[in-house]
Amino acid sequence: NAGVTQTPKFQVLKTGQSMTLQCAQDMNHNSMYWYRQDPGMGLRLIYYSASEGTTDKGEVPNGYNVSRLNKREFSLRLESAAPSQTSVYFCASREYPTNTGELFFGEGSRLTVL
Amino acid sequence: DQQVKQNSPSLSVQEGRISILNCDYTNSMFDYFLWYKKYPAEGPTFLISISSIKDKNEDGRFTVFLNKSAKHLSLHIVPSQPGDSAVYFCAARPATGNQFYFGTGTSLTVIP
Repeated sequence: NAGVTQTPKFQVLKTGQSMTLQCAQDMNHNSMYWYRQDPGMGLRLIYYSASEGTTDKGEVPNGYNVSRLNKREFSLRLESAAPSQTSVYFCASREYPTNTGELFFGEGSRLTVL
Repeated sequence: DQQVKQNSPSLSVQEGRISILNCDYTNSMFDYFLWYKKYPAEGPTFLISISSIKDKNEDGRFTVFLNKSAKHLSLHIVPSQPGDSAVYFCAARPATGNQFYFGTGTSLTVIP
């Protein structure tokens, strides 16, 4: 099983450009998440989707939009990239609703905004 | 405001000794706690978890302890091995809700 697959793995953008990070999971999970990892900041939640058809803001949603395309896919869009959005982005999924159950992460997408 | 804190950015331990990684949280509504391990250029992988109804959970060399009154959890690795060298994140989830909050991570180096 591939688990959680993210594309692209690397991307360089210029300030003001737009792009979409794609995420797909093959574990039939209901919930999907987008996190960003920055030095000294840990993993911070951008947006999440508890189930198909729903999305909610996380801790740092400004400058991002998301689309839960179907149960498998959850995309993250940067409409006008800024240098502050240079980061490593991780998509994750989880079975829901359960009282326990961990997040399964993809390998990450490294984005540099010049 | 960081609801999950890992105050030690790094830790070095000799091979074979115990590694103790600490995590504090501020939200009393958290009831499920997890530890993740992350190697460079890879995604975090789940290590061990504990529910708030327990104070200890063991899985092989890894044990997580939860002290609810102190809002503190710790991860013990015994014995430590060089392959354990990685960044460790603790995470917490409230009783109601689907969000997971992560700490800033502790970089563990196990010296052969």
